[in-house]
Amino acid sequence: NSKVIQTPRYLVKGQGQKAKMRCIPEKGHPVVFWYQQNKNNEFKFLINFQNQEVLQQIDMTEKRFSAECPSNSPCSLEIQSSEAGDSALYLCASSPQGAGNTLYFGEGSRLIVV
Amino acid sequence: AQSVTQPDARVTVSEGASLQLRCKYSYSGTPYLFWYVQYPRQGLQLLLKYYSGDPVVQGVNGFEAEFIKSNSSFHLRKASVHWSDSAVYFCAVRGNSNNRIFFGDGTQLVVKP
Repeated sequence: NSKVIQTPRYLVKGQGQKAKMRCIPEKGHPVVFWYQQNKNNEFKFLINFQNQEVLQQIDMTEKRFSAECPSNSPCSLEIQSSEAGDSALYLCASSPQGAGNTLYFGEGSRLIVV
Repeated sequence: AQSVTQPDARVTVSEGASLQLRCKYSYSGTPYLFWYVQYPRQGLQLLLKYYSGDPVVQGVNGFEAEFIKSNSSFHLRKASVHWSDSAVYFCAVRGNSNNRIFFGDGTQLVVKP
């Protein structure tokens, strides 16, 4: 069973609505990633954090998403204004500090935008 | 640039048969290589990982993979598949930092009874 906890498992939003997903990384893992997996199984990297600081993010994330990993609270990813193309599985993963360490994934939050 | 190619979108085998799922990667340095499995409506689970040492690495549930540097390949193998192995398998590469992991597009494995 995954030690990375994602909530909710499913969310349905109308176009233009906000959609917020949360992730509790595995204990002791300071690095957190968010990926979007579409219906064709293609992965898109969105953003990653080391502790509370953003390491990398793509342009889409910078413009339409907000994400944070506050200390002592779950990490979150929020789409400010949902679009149909945002319908996907959002996967959170955490990793120990250090080069090449394994990413451990949660079960994902499936977003459906209607 | 890092990339991963899984040339087979779907592989169908009979239960008890052997399996090979192909993976080729592109990375300028020495990569960390992974195989993950995704069962329906679930996240990704790690099968195995390779960085250095014996090029044949053992994973969970009887899976193994062989790193062939000259061919930039990291194919996944299993001697005898079970129906419960039906899932989508992803090969992935990660570089030498806290940067992102790059995934192939996955191979859907169907095990027929």
